[in-house]
Amino acid sequence: SQQGEEDPQALSIQEGENATMNCSYKTSINNLQWYRQNSGRGLVHLILIRSNEREKHSGRLRVTLDTSKKSSSLLITASRAADTASYFCATDEGSGGSNYKLTFGKGTLLTVNP
Amino acid sequence: GAGVSQSPSNKVTEKGKDVELRCDPISGHTALYWYRQSLGQGLEFLIYFQGNSAPDKSGLPSDRFSAERTGGSVSTLTIQRTQQEDSAVYLCASSLNPSIYEQYFGPGTRLTVT
Repeated sequence: SQQGEEDPQALSIQEGENATMNCSYKTSINNLQWYRQNSGRGLVHLILIRSNEREKHSGRLRVTLDTSKKSSSLLITASRAADTASYFCATDEGSGGSNYKLTFGKGTLLTVNP
Repeated sequence: GAGVSQSPSNKVTEKGKDVELRCDPISGHTALYWYRQSLGQGLEFLIYFQGNSAPDKSGLPSDRFSAERTGGSVSTLTIQRTQQEDSAVYLCASSLNPSIYEQYFGPGTRLTVT
């Protein structure tokens, strides 16, 4: 079953706008990761946030994690056409489980219009 | 340096035939993972290798699926007696070791069973 579920399923914005995607999960985690996928092929790791962290930044990316609500958000600021891709959150199995076995949500398809 | 490579990039096969999918991980990465991505199921974990051993095969969908890894490097995923429901993109990923959570993905093999 899917651990992470992203919403919205699809998001269309204009270049320069900010894009926010959300992820909810069901069980405890050690880490949550966000990945990007272009054209239905390989995934690229964007950022990892640990369960004891609340916010993390990397360039134009900002990730938040609320373990009490079992949710995370990914904010992309000043979006560019090249940010058009599918974005997935991935969670591990938490304490007592594996950190390597990732469960992915079904993704948010982001379209940035020039 | 070189990333994860997979071959073939596309494979069309007839129902009932066997197929072999190959993954070359990043040099020095001891952990290797196979995932399957299909329209209905999203991204599913299949199997994890640490070195040449597969301590976690829990995601393999049936006994028609097997995988091996030799020399702590190249891995082959074999699907016997392919069925139409096996049609999907098969993604391979590697990480330096299982304690390094960021996974590097290959471009995938798109398998179509006719």
